[in-house]
Amino acid sequence: EVQLLESGGGLVQPGGSLRLSCAAPGFTFSNYAMSWVRQSPGRGLEWVSAITGGADDTWNADSVKGRFTISRDNSKNTLYLQLNNLRAEDTAVYYCVRGSASGRPYYFDSWGQGTLVTVSS
Amino acid sequence: EIVLTQSPGTLSLSPGEGATLSCRASQSVSSTYLAWFQQKPGQAPRLLIYGASRRATGIPDRFSGSGSGTDFTLTISRLEPEDFAVYYCQEYGSSRTFGQGTKVEIK
Repeated sequence: EVQLLESGGGLVQPGGSLRLSCAAPGFTFSNYAMSWVRQSPGRGLEWVSAITGGADDTWNADSVKGRFTISRDNSKNTLYLQLNNLRAEDTAVYYCVRGSASGRPYYFDSWGQGTLVTVSS
Repeated sequence: EIVLTQSPGTLSLSPGEGATLSCRASQSVSSTYLAWFQQKPGQAPRLLIYGASRRATGIPDRFSGSGSGTDFTLTISRLEPEDFAVYYCQEYGSSRTFGQGTKVEIK
């Protein structure tokens, strides 16, 4: 079974920053594209960011462009999401999600348990 | 951006009954890049179906997907107690958007 272990969530003030991590042991990490998907009661499930297996291309949802940055370290089997200039509407559970292939198109075949980000003063 | 609309919002059924869930796209989904997920309270979503009709590894054959273009269906042939959950469709060819979900609850 694929393991995806998120960390780094917490309470942050509006305008603040956080860095989420996702450890991915047990499979050849560089062979798979990875994404972050968030879920909140108000916005439902929302894809946020994606990165190819070789980290040569990234994509971001319009709602986070210029504020969030996805990256990966294939030598450490770890995915990251840097969240800057956070807003109240970014409050959500953030899931680390594996794609079914290295590049597009791919479906989301495995999900982590999620890490909660709360933006509030 | 492709918008996915799921119906009904809630389906109230008894164990052993069949369930039919609908997902309609605002524009054609290319090459049937449509997936279905199941989510139970406190858990992450789990992949059920990809490519509109292909069951993911380990998914029982009572789950089936069909459709193309803008209209897709998830069918659960006979509901087991563990199937009561929220189901989401997702387009993964372009905008990667999700539907708002259909809750299947025990009647």
